[in-house]
Amino acid sequence: DTEVTQTPKHLVMGMTNKKSLKCEQHMGHRAMYWYKQKAKKPPELMFVYSYEKLSINESVPSRFSPECPNSSLLNLHLHALQPEDSALYLCASSQGGLAGSTSTDTQYFGPGTRLTVL
Amino acid sequence: GEDVEQSLFLSVREGDSSVINCTYTDSSSTYLYWYKQEPGAGLQLLTYIFSNMDMKQDQRLTVLLNKKDKHLSLRIADTQTGDSAIYFCAEVGSNDYKLSFGAGTTVTVRA
Repeated sequence: DTEVTQTPKHLVMGMTNKKSLKCEQHMGHRAMYWYKQKAKKPPELMFVYSYEKLSINESVPSRFSPECPNSSLLNLHLHALQPEDSALYLCASSQGGLAGSTSTDTQYFGPGTRLTVL
Repeated sequence: GEDVEQSLFLSVREGDSSVINCTYTDSSSTYLYWYKQEPGAGLQLLTYIFSNMDMKQDQRLTVLLNKKDKHLSLRIADTQTGDSAIYFCAEVGSNDYKLSFGAGTTVTVRA
């Protein structure tokens, strides 16, 4: 089973709202990732958690706040977003922690949350 | 990871073979991946190849890797309408956490 689930599937929010995206995996993977994908473009890495600790923040604005409550869950808290933040937000996980490149670093993606900021 | 390049579009007739090409610049690439993305969906891992291999076959999919030329290709045999999607090539280098993606090739299967 290589399933990563994400909720909600779609989200519409105003610029003053606070919302959260959720991601879950039960594969025992130790690294989890958030990506942002604009239409017709490849995904762009935002954050990486390794063993439940934030390892990488790709200079993401503070209006995006990640959280990893446990090894199976990853949240992305959203506050005061801008219309240009509208995108598909993808979660991914990989078996190994954040260490070098091995087959255990193969990333498996969830279906994404389609976010629209009005 | 470094630059990864792919052609943007491919049109193929149903039943024919599709070949999607990718070039990369990172000589330390260890794993190279092909992901498929259907409209409105996430990325589905299709296959991956380790850099010390030159070919990998999985049912209708054949991956060829020319490490000298830093060229990767994905061949889909007997292409079906369900194969219409965007295909992303990606690589990760040694001691690197970051997947470097190509721009994606939009494959359109026509009847």
